[in-house]
Amino acid sequence: EPEVTQTPSHQVTQMGQEVILRCVPISNHLYFYWYRQILGQKVEFLVSFYNNEISEKSEIFDDQFSVERPDGSNFTLKIRSTKLEDSAMYFCASSRRGGGAEEQFFGPGTRLTVL
Amino acid sequence: KQEVTQIPAALSVPEGENLVLNCSFTDSAIYNLQWFRQDPGKGLTSLLLIQSSQREQTSGRLNASLDKSSGRSTLYIAASQPGDSATYLCAVDSGNTPLVFGKGTRLSVIA
Repeated sequence: EPEVTQTPSHQVTQMGQEVILRCVPISNHLYFYWYRQILGQKVEFLVSFYNNEISEKSEIFDDQFSVERPDGSNFTLKIRSTKLEDSAMYFCASSRRGGGAEEQFFGPGTRLTVL
Repeated sequence: KQEVTQIPAALSVPEGENLVLNCSFTDSAIYNLQWFRQDPGKGLTSLLLIQSSQREQTSGRLNASLDKSSGRSTLYIAASQPGDSATYLCAVDSGNTPLVFGKGTRLSVIA
């Protein structure tokens, strides 16, 4: 069964460093998302992406964050200068259609630890 | 702004018991509602999706219901097993807005 994959599973970085989290969405999906979950808190939306551009972003997704689909398969989240409060589990998700028409499928997550 | 609440926050039941997890949302203008399972330190596994036009969905021992007008959904788990132990998350999709999640119910099924 097709699934969303994410790499790495765990990333440790120093404060101020840049990190890139990678995702491979399900191949026939057109809508891509990043969410994060700080330990013990709710899963929060960061950004959605369709047709090679951001369709929606939350207040969390400030200028330190960017997303890219560099080729036909990968979808990346870049944090330019990491802060301690960026430590969280980051989930990538994809769906075939947007607008609530179909379910979103989530990857296993990348645990980001900022020291 | 959509808010999703899940009650109880934690639940412990003996193996074999049937149980109900609750989810409520403040804005009834939703497109769908998804139930997920999350094991400790792991990703989210989609269990059931209910479209706004549907009243319930079933998958194996799981049955999810949706009452859009009252802003409620329930997840019914029949004949619970220790392997069902996990956190169950409810998330609401309002169409042009992203999924809004509840905090989850942490379920422990005791053998």
